Amino acid sequence: AQKITQTQPGMFVQEKEAVTLDCTYDTSDPSYGLFWYKQPSSGEMIFLIYQGSYDQQNATEGRYSLNFQKARKSANLVISASQLGDSAMYFCAMRDSSNTGKLIFGQGTTLQVKP
Amino acid sequence: GAVVSQHPSRVICKSGTSVKIECRSLDFQATTMFWYRQFPKQSLMLMATSNEGSKATYEQGVEKDKFLINHASLTLSTLTVTSAHPEDSSFYICSSHGRPTDTQYFGPGTRLTVL
Repeated sequence: AQKITQTQPGMFVQEKEAVTLDCTYDTSDPSYGLFWYKQPSSGEMIFLIYQGSYDQQNATEGRYSLNFQKARKSANLVISASQLGDSAMYFCAMRDSSNTGKLIFGQGTTLQVKP
Repeated sequence: GAVVSQHPSRVICKSGTSVKIECRSLDFQATTMFWYRQFPKQSLMLMATSNEGSKATYEQGVEKDKFLINHASLTLSTLTVTSAHPEDSSFYICSSHGRPTDTQYFGPGTRLTVL
């Protein structure tokens, strides 16, 4: 069965520092997609970054990068130069292997950026 | 990214009434939409997959007669919580694929409070 695990319930980071949010996954499917979403207190889910299992390079989007370690089955999110507006809950997700497109979410990590 | 709207953003109702939540894809045709439920500080739980022109596929443990889903057009899916009770109070959020990236984009969510 597929599974996504985020082991950090809460994280603190100083403003302007970088922070890594951990995510490990388990799947027997050779083709899969991994996503990170940000959920601020307003509740909306904001898509941040996507990594395909066959992508040769780690995905990057502005201050967000995904540290994809396929052999370790990890897909950690790195946020560089943290800003106060980065304080939110972050979810790692994997596309379900059933080909319906539905996502399996991790438990989430609450990030607080300190001024 | 794709734009998904959701209405209403917040609703308070009395126990026993039914509440309809609309999810619209504004700039693309969505043959598939997903409905999630989220309790405070928890992850998203997939309730059902809404398929245009056919019956929704419900996840295990979700009562299909209580959570009615209709996906009558390529841009609109509705979730009706029938005979709502206080335990149905939650944050309901829909999502849809944005082709061709297969990324899921989420609506802003609906906060339901049943008194």
